Amino acid sequence: QSVLTQPPSASGTPGQRVTISCSGSSSNIGSNTVNWYQQLPGTAPKLLIYSNNQRPSGVPDRFSGSKSGTSASLAISGLQSEDEADYYCAAWDGSLSGRVFGGGTKLTVL
Amino acid sequence: EVQLLESGGGLVQPGGSLRLSCAASGFTFSSYAMNWVRQAPGKGLEWVSVISHSGGRTYYADFVKGRFTISRDNSKDTLYLQMNSLRAEDTAVYYCAKDQYATTINDIQHWGQGTLVTVSS
Repeated sequence: QSVLTQPPSASGTPGQRVTISCSGSSSNIGSNTVNWYQQLPGTAPKLLIYSNNQRPSGVPDRFSGSKSGTSASLAISGLQSEDEADYYCAAWDGSLSGRVFGGGTKLTVL
Repeated sequence: EVQLLESGGGLVQPGGSLRLSCAASGFTFSSYAMNWVRQAPGKGLEWVSVISHSGGRTYYADFVKGRFTISRDNSKDTLYLQMNSLRAEDTAVYYCAKDQYATTINDIQHWGQGTLVTVSS
């Protein structure tokens, strides 16, 4: 069982907006920044969002992140077929002295 | 361009040992903390360990403490993971990953392509 909790699946149709949640605690999300990673089928993960809401260069502005208290969210607007992937949240956990990942959310574009 | 190339994976019997390597290029290796993250077949990402840029600080996930050792050779731009007392549940693709900012342990930015470790008799 993962320290950070994500829904196992999400879905949407092209053009829609979808949101993926990530729930943690005061020792991780509550006191550290959150990153989001996208993993396309058969490939290595890729950094999508860092420091809660910052996009690395090259990541479309359709992707956005937010954090409030001990929860974080990833929003994808204007959903496209190529967004079909697994998405993971991550944060440092001060109590565990280590990084923690969410269990991952499989996004399906219908 | 940042490149991380893992090697050393393979088939090993339960109780056996394996050493993974990660050859880094495209950045000043000695300035960045480095990580190992694994992914069991069909499962999610699982952080294994991180080492500071100098090698002076290391942190491990509870499930590998006492069995795995992370190390680095900054003169060779190479990261290592020594894995002992391997168990079937250690079967996974092991990714080498670089932190985003220099000097401190911060957030994973770049990932290698991974090397598969299979623990089976």
